[in-house]
This record gives sequence, structure tokens and C-alpha cells, in this order.
Amino acid sequence: NAGVTQTPKFQVLKTGQSMTLQCAQDMNHEYMSWYRQDPGMGLRLIHYSVGAGITDQGEVPNGYNVSRSTTEDFPLRLLSAAPSQTSVYFCASSYSWREGSQYFGPGTRLTVT
Amino acid sequence: EDQVTQSPEALRLQEGESSSLNCSYTVSGLRGLFWYRQDPGKGPEFLFTLYSAGEEKEKERLKATLTKKESFLHITAPKPEDSATYLCAVQGSISSGSARQLTFGSGTQLTVLP
Repeated sequence: NAGVTQTPKFQVLKTGQSMTLQCAQDMNHEYMSWYRQDPGMGLRLIHYSVGAGITDQGEVPNGYNVSRSTTEDFPLRLLSAAPSQTSVYFCASSYSWREGSQYFGPGTRLTVT
Repeated sequence: EDQVTQSPEALRLQEGESSSLNCSYTVSGLRGLFWYRQDPGKGPEFLFTLYSAGEEKEKERLKATLTKKESFLHITAPKPEDSATYLCAVQGSISSGSARQLTFGSGTQLTVLP
């Protein structure tokens, strides 16, 4: 198993550009989530999904969209990048939302100039 | 709103010098408390789940304990390879409305010197 994979590993965007961060898992997990990690602020939940076709907002959803058309994939879209979205983004998954023991991907470091 | 506070922010230990990391939490009904380890440039790695006050879990030099207001991660005779950031997270109960998401603390950065 590859576990949770994320692409790209690094990305630089200009303000106003859009892009999609990719996340995939091969463990047949129902639950997937996106976090951002900023210095001194820990991990903050952006969006999550409890299964294909079902998504919901987390703590900091503004400026981001998600969709879950398959069990394996959970892309995160930045609609119009802003410098405040400069961060490290992590995707995570678990068998069910009932489990808090999540598997995390390696992260995407995003810089918005 | 669930809240998690970890202390200290950073901790430097000599190899073999035991210590504890603290995680204080506020949650309306605790479903679970989780400890993760994060190495620089990598994603967090799950360590332990604790469900109720009085519960303890151990793994090698690490032992996690839980009370009704806080959790401790005890590190016994640490080695340099234990150097990492340790994150604590809580999951609220179904009735609290936060059962489907984790709330993380900002972590404790542990450095173990040889």
C-alpha cells in the first residue's frame, strides 16, 4: 500500500491564481480530511468527507473547495489564492469518522506571492 | 468549541533525562484523545488513543495517560531519535457536534541531546 499520497510536494502561486492539491489513498478509507499547518497554530481542519459524495466544512473553510467523487480521491481546490493561504497542507484518512487515528500524507508546501 | 493547549512549546532534554509533556483540553464530551508524532518535513504519525480517565497506553519509551482535563505523554530515558514534535488532538462526542473532526493543539517540540 502507498498509504496517503499528495501532489505536488511544493508549489508557488501568484495572488489570484487557482490550483488543485491532489490527495489519494489506497486503503479503502471512508473518512478523508484536509488540514493546514502554520507555525505556532497547529493543524487546523479545512474540509472533511465521511464518504464518497459527502463533504463538510471544518474550522477554516473559506477560500477552499472540495469534492469526493470516489472513495480514493479527495482534491482540495484553491479558488483565488491569497498570501494568507501560504501554509503546509496535509491530507489524512481513516477507516471511519468514528476513528480519530488518522493516516497523514507527506504534505504540500504552498507559497502564495 | 473544543480547545487543546499543549505545554511546554519546546523542551530540550539530555539523553536519558525523563520528562513529561502536557495536553490540557476542553471538550463537551470526550470521544477520544490522540497523540501523534511529527518529524520535520513529514506528516504526523499516530501514536496513541485514550478514551477515558485513568486509561494508560505505552509504546517503547512513551506512556500516555488521561485525566478528565488533561493528558500527559511521559518519556522515559529518551534517546536522540525521540526528537520530534508531539501533537495532541481531541474528538468530541456525537452530541457535542464535533465527533467527525479532530481539534489539534499546537504541539511540543522535543529535542533530545546526545
